[in-house]
Amino acid sequence: AIQMTQSPSSLSASVGDRVTITCRASQGIRNDLGWYQQKPGKAPKLLIYAASSLQSGVPSRFSGSGSGTDFTLTISSLQPEDFATYYCLQDYNYPRTFGQGTKLEIK
Amino acid sequence: EVQLVESGGGLVKPGGSLRLSCAASGFTFSSYSMNWVRQAPGKGLEWVSSISSSSSYIYYADSVKGRFTISRDNAKNSLYLQMNSLRAEDTAVYYCARDGSDPPDYGMDVWGQGTTVTVSS
Repeated sequence: AIQMTQSPSSLSASVGDRVTITCRASQGIRNDLGWYQQKPGKAPKLLIYAASSLQSGVPSRFSGSGSGTDFTLTISSLQPEDFATYYCLQDYNYPRTFGQGTKLEIK
Repeated sequence: EVQLVESGGGLVKPGGSLRLSCAASGFTFSSYSMNWVRQAPGKGLEWVSSISSSSSYIYYADSVKGRFTISRDNAKNSLYLQMNSLRAEDTAVYYCARDGSDPPDYGMDVWGQGTTVTVSS
């Protein structure tokens, strides 16, 4: 199974900060990666698919990049509603695997 | 409105069985592959199982293979997860989620609200 390693596991930041979360795959997965946001008690929400495509309705401050084994999710200017946990998910093959999550907290 | 609604969760003893359902509405269910994803209390997301639009392709996580069975009824716009030989480590919120395409190139774009399964004596 492909392992997805996310870093950092937690992050403290302030409103207005630029934040980057990374995800590394244990083998190449082309651009078959998505990023999800989850708030406490809620279902995950798709932010980015195919590594860099913004899901409809998602604010443009979210962006994704990468291909192969290394991927990043960037939030250009943190808003109060962005404090949540973020996960990557590889869609390259089965079993599909999530990263362990990055909890983004208010500094 | 595009919507997924899970049901069937509850409290079950170790070794017991449970059948989860996911009712889809607002889209052509038969055109999309579907998934079950779970989240144990305080833990991260874990992919459980996927089924293609026509049920031709089915996949399971090793942790549930041989115990869980995914199925769908396109005429009823419904997805199912039959869970047998349940263990304490199966305790989780179970989400059904739609793939944006079949095969999945566009991520899991629609999620249900989740149903809670608790395995305890």
